[in-house]
Amino acid sequence: EVQLVQSGAEVKKPGESLKISCKGSGYSFTSYWIGWVRQMPGKGLEWMGIIYPGDSDTRYSPSFQGQVTISADKSISTAYLQWSSLKASDTAMYYCARLEAVTLPFDYWGQGTLVTVSS
Amino acid sequence: DIQLTQSPSFLSASVGDRVTITCRASQGISSYLAWYQQKPGKAPKLLIYAASTLQSGVPSRFSGSGSGTEFTLTISSLQPEDFATYYCQQLNSYPFTFGPGTKVDIK
Repeated sequence: EVQLVQSGAEVKKPGESLKISCKGSGYSFTSYWIGWVRQMPGKGLEWMGIIYPGDSDTRYSPSFQGQVTISADKSISTAYLQWSSLKASDTAMYYCARLEAVTLPFDYWGQGTLVTVSS
Repeated sequence: DIQLTQSPSFLSASVGDRVTITCRASQGISSYLAWYQQKPGKAPKLLIYAASTLQSGVPSRFSGSGSGTEFTLTISSLQPEDFATYYCQQLNSYPFTFGPGTKVDIK
C-alpha cells in the first residue's frame, strides 16, 4: 500500500527555522516525484514545487523560489520542506504528494502538516 | 503563470442533482488538467486526470471533459459523500497551478 506519512504539527516563532518531512512507503521512492502544496487557513491549494528523489532534480514555483528549500534523502525514502526564517504568513497546512511524471497529477497525498508561526 | 478560474465558486445542490463545474485556463493547456475533491480537514483526492480519465477507484458518476482552455467536471447524480470542495489543476507548464476551488454544499 502506498503511503506518505508527514511529520507532526509545529508551532514556531517568526524568524525560526523549520524542516518538515514526508516519508514514502509501499512504492519505489526514487521512481516518483514528490511535491509540496500549501493551503493557508480557509484558502485554496498552492503548488510549491517538486523533487525527483532519484537524482534530486527540483522545480520550484516562482512564488516560493528562495522562500523554501525542497530536498530528499533517498536512503530513508523521505522528502523535506524547510524554511530558514519563518514568517507569520507561512502559517498553513502543508501537504506532500506523489506524482509519477511531471505532466501527471498528484495521485497519493500525505495527511498534511500544520505549521503555525506566531509570536 | 497559467491562471485557472472556476465557476461557480459556490453551489448549493440536492442529493440526486446533476452538477457541472467549469474550469477555464488563461492559455491553452491541451488536456493537461486534473480534478481533485477535498473534504474539510482532509487531503485532496484525485478524481480525474488528462481532462477525462477517471482515477482508479473513483465512482463513475464523476466525469470530465474539455481541452484547450475550457474544461468541465460533472457529477451525474450527487451523493451525500460528494459534498466537498473541488479544485482543477493544470499540468501543462510550471508552476502547475490550481484553480480557486468550487464548494458544493447541501441545499
